[in-house]
Amino acid sequence: EAQVTQNPRYLITVTGKKLTVTCSQNMNHEYMSWYRQDPGLGLRQIYYSMNVEVTDKGDVPEGYKVSRKEKRNFPLILESPSPNQTSLYFCASSLLGSASYEQYFGPGTRLTVT
Amino acid sequence: GENVEQHPSTLSVQEGDSAVIKCTYSDSASNYFPWYKQELGKRPQLIIDIRSNVGEKKDQRIAVTLNKTAKHFSLHITETQPEDSAVYFCAASSYNTDKLIFGTGTRLQVFP
Repeated sequence: EAQVTQNPRYLITVTGKKLTVTCSQNMNHEYMSWYRQDPGLGLRQIYYSMNVEVTDKGDVPEGYKVSRKEKRNFPLILESPSPNQTSLYFCASSLLGSASYEQYFGPGTRLTVT
Repeated sequence: GENVEQHPSTLSVQEGDSAVIKCTYSDSASNYFPWYKQELGKRPQLIIDIRSNVGEKKDQRIAVTLNKTAKHFSLHITETQPEDSAVYFCAASSYNTDKLIFGTGTRLQVFP
């Protein structure tokens, strides 16, 4: 089944404790991206990658890191999480190396930082 | 920077009525305008999109119109049904940044 998977789906952590949210797609998509969703603010792009070893900042990259060593995986790393990073996070992928195609979203990861 | 404004933030309609959601964008290089629907507790899913070389696109009960001069695009849903109740997001991307900028969302409620 073609899909985007994220793990974990729910995470409660404490300020400063490094964490990684994994994202994987099995559709051979070139473009992958991370978004955070907050009430009243919609979806905001954190980082995106047009292909392996190519990443770039979205609108809200502060406090996050990403890597794209393999085409299928695009992990999101929070080196020192803070309470303002409490949010719902979505990974997404699209076929070609551009934002101008349908984004296929993962199921979301709800992160709480206390 | 690039910005997409979306209105209204909430919209309530009677079943069978039409619903219209409007977005404006700031980057004149934007050339792709998708609309996503997010049901409660679910992931966003694409329902329709339009590119800058087209003025209007329809798919059954939904349509999108684009006015490049005004930097404005709209989603039109006709004959609304309760299952259309969801949050709708517009978005825009341009060929020179590869970012996807979303609007803040519209919560549509369709009452039977």
